[in-house]
Amino acid sequence: GNSVTQMEGPVTLSEEAFLTINCTYTATGYPSLFWYVQYPGEGLQLLLKATKADDKGSNKGFEATYRKETTSFHLEKGSVQVSDSAVYFCALSPRSSASKIIFGSGTRLSIRP
Amino acid sequence: KAGVTQTPRYLIKTRGQQVTLSCSPISGHRSVSWYQQTPGQGLQFLFEYFSETQRNKGNFPGRFSGRQFSNSRSEMNVSTLELGDSALYLCASSKGLAGESDTQYFGPGTRLTVL
Repeated sequence: GNSVTQMEGPVTLSEEAFLTINCTYTATGYPSLFWYVQYPGEGLQLLLKATKADDKGSNKGFEATYRKETTSFHLEKGSVQVSDSAVYFCALSPRSSASKIIFGSGTRLSIRP
Repeated sequence: KAGVTQTPRYLIKTRGQQVTLSCSPISGHRSVSWYQQTPGQGLQFLFEYFSETQRNKGNFPGRFSGRQFSNSRSEMNVSTLELGDSALYLCASSKGLAGESDTQYFGPGTRLTVL
């Protein structure tokens, strides 16, 4: 079946530190991959996406590359800010049912000033 | 362009009651999906409606149902509420086009508390 595994949180970093949140997936076929972010008390916002192998999604300084050979989609940012504190969800949607998103468990990120 | 809206934002109900949640998608979007978010189970897909028909369904009991209207607005109903139904219910809309990578945009959610 389809599943997403992401690193356990919480992750606490100092401002301007380098961020990596690991994400691996299991899927049949070639899913689309996503990172969503959830700020306190809010719904999910799409952060970035990639739809095929070797695609790089990027937004607001965050990047993730679709690695088919390692079935991974790790999230990175070179210099985090306090405003990046949130919960980050890695997710996939199968080609066969694009609306049925399967989410990882989420990683809570806290940035210290 | 207005985003996905959900009403109400907060609800308190007691066990055994039923509840209806509403979702208005982004203009032009024909697909509406519903998700349940709990601390224990995380984010789980409930069902998807497209052009007033249920197109996909997750693994939830029949107490959870939904519908979609001709203007693409959707409602979700939960009957005979249980304590375990307390959750944030998120609605997402997309164009719903088959064969393409379709992006879902989420609303702020409805926080349901069952006492």
